[in-house]
Amino acid sequence: AQSVTQLGSHVSVSEGALVLLRCNYSSSVPPYLFWYVQYPNQGLQLLLKYTTGATLVKGINGFEAEFKKSETSFHLTKPSAHMSDAAEYFCAVRPPMEYGNKLVFGAGTILRVKS
Amino acid sequence: EAEVAQSPRYKITEKSQAVAFWCDPISGHATLYWYRQILGQGPELLVQFQDESVVDDSQLPKDRFSAERLKGVDSTLKIQPAELGDSAMYLCASSLDHVSSYEQYFGPGTRLTVT
Repeated sequence: AQSVTQLGSHVSVSEGALVLLRCNYSSSVPPYLFWYVQYPNQGLQLLLKYTTGATLVKGINGFEAEFKKSETSFHLTKPSAHMSDAAEYFCAVRPPMEYGNKLVFGAGTILRVKS
Repeated sequence: EAEVAQSPRYKITEKSQAVAFWCDPISGHATLYWYRQILGQGPELLVQFQDESVVDDSQLPKDRFSAERLKGVDSTLKIQPAELGDSAMYLCASSLDHVSSYEQYFGPGTRLTVT
């Protein structure tokens, strides 16, 4: 079984400050990992994903995440927060295709950006 | 840019009533997913279709929920009778096929309030 833990249901940063959203996963096989963003009353938009290869992945809007197998983590970062980054962020995991394709989401982290 | 369409965007219904949601996936996408997102939680998969066939409905409360995708294109999710605990956001997503299921594209969702 797979699971995702997002540390901190709410994170608040100042505009221009570093954004760090934490995600740890549990998986019996090397997983595929994702970050999604959700704005109020909207669906989810894929920010970035890790499947294989380079462990540092870059996504849209200046976000990036690093897969650390030894720490079972996939933290999301952005060097400088912008007001438009305020949203809810979800980390998700799924096994490689041969083990199934069900996405399992974390509970989400609401990011607040202060001016 | 192609999008997943959902309707209605908002629905208020009384408990014990029937309610239905509609989803039109991105054209050509064979795999369709229905998720339920309870406030403060991440999305949870209810049912997955590959073309017109259900491939995973393990988390669908089958005593009151039903889903169909008769022609393998658009889909309807129904709840009868609705209960207070069904209040949530219902998200539809689609992907090219189950192989590329990590590339899931989400619709804007239907927010259901049961009174």
